[in-house]
Amino acid sequence: GAVVSQHPSRVICKSGTSVKIECRSLDFQATTMFWYRQFPKQSLMLMATSNEGSKATYEQGVEKDKFLINHASLTLSTLTVTSAHPEDSSFYICSASGRTDPTDTQYFGPGTRLTVL
Amino acid sequence: DAKTTQPTSMDCAEGRAANLPCNHSTISGNEYVYWYRQIHSQGPQYIIHGLKNNETNEMASLIITEDRKSSTLILPHATLRDTAVYYCIVKGNTPLVFGKGTRLSVIA
Repeated sequence: GAVVSQHPSRVICKSGTSVKIECRSLDFQATTMFWYRQFPKQSLMLMATSNEGSKATYEQGVEKDKFLINHASLTLSTLTVTSAHPEDSSFYICSASGRTDPTDTQYFGPGTRLTVL
Repeated sequence: DAKTTQPTSMDCAEGRAANLPCNHSTISGNEYVYWYRQIHSQGPQYIIHGLKNNETNEMASLIITEDRKSSTLILPHATLRDTAVYYCIVKGNTPLVFGKGTRLSVIA
């Protein structure tokens, strides 16, 4: 149980275009979803937290107008990288937690590798 | 959330037990100890978590000291597929915050 999927797994785009990444909880209702990114040889950095039906809370230094997060249902959250630039190239990983246990354990998707040319 | 301290890297022989230590001396009473691992180019995988009692599941055992200031993750029979970065994270009612973890290399 507690499976999280992401789509696409890999995307290459041109500078200036927008890219949407989907995150789905397959076998549980995700009351909260999280988006992280990871640059090469670094640890995961939290970008934002979203609760179903509410606006996302962004971490300091993360531009909300550039990284649009939508959490419209209990099983789906999307991250849109708008007007992507080469410095946005990174490994984007979503995570979800729900009422699977009292501690709301976070489960992670397989990640999406974004390359902006 | 309380911070954790882990060794940068460890080696373990295949088939032997891997014991990964973690210090979390500033842990609060309502914070859990979580362990995740990340195999190269994949999302983190949940391993185990605990509050104060020792825990065991099909993947690993978690031993938490009585004062809760440190813990050890035990992989009883390490295989080559257990080579990964292991993260010990103390978590309350906030999102997981990742440190640098321990890079475990299982050697044949």
